[in-house]
Amino acid sequence: GQNIDQPTEMTATEGAIVQINCTYQTSGFNGLFWYQQHAGEAPTFLSYNVLDGLEEKGRFSSFLSRSKGYSYLLLKELQMKDSASYLCAVRDSNYQLIWGAGTKLIIKP
Amino acid sequence: ETGVTQSPTHLIKTRGQQVTLRCSSQSGHNTVSWYQQALGQGPQFIFQYYREEENGRGNFPPRFSGLQFPNYSSELNVNALELDDSALYLCASSGRQGARYEQYFGPGTRLTVT
Repeated sequence: GQNIDQPTEMTATEGAIVQINCTYQTSGFNGLFWYQQHAGEAPTFLSYNVLDGLEEKGRFSSFLSRSKGYSYLLLKELQMKDSASYLCAVRDSNYQLIWGAGTKLIIKP
Repeated sequence: ETGVTQSPTHLIKTRGQQVTLRCSSQSGHNTVSWYQQALGQGPQFIFQYYREEENGRGNFPPRFSGLQFPNYSSELNVNALELDDSALYLCASSGRQGARYEQYFGPGTRLTVT
């Protein structure tokens, strides 16, 4: 079966750095996405990785290791508005997105 | 805002009834995907339409059906509603099937089945 695992919840302090991990087992791989979702709202795109390595985008970076079935999202200089759920999704061999359950990130002052 | 719109925003239906949800994709996007998201869970893929044809389906029963129109807008129909169908239904459009393009989500329709 296809499976994507993320921690359920994480807590971090404003101004700090947090890393959210994602491991996956899917039938094929055609890219990995990270989305942010605030409570009651739709997911919004953060990053995309298809090759191994680090993609940096401002305060957010995403890393991929295809051989390990592993990715992480790194958030720097945390702000209170970063409190949200972070969803990891893998595009499988049928080009369908398989989603993790999301990691709820709580930012404390 | 992504340019993807959905209607209605909220809906309350009774078990056994039928419902139609609507989605207008972002300009220039020809692929629409529908997802069901239960509270505290990630989205679950229902199906995808590309140029008016269904070209992928998740693990949902046939009472979940859809349409895509020539202007690439889309409908999700659910027959014989069950209590477990209560969820947020998300529509996402993307620019090209199979490409690396990310999906842009609409605000969702919150369906409550009583």
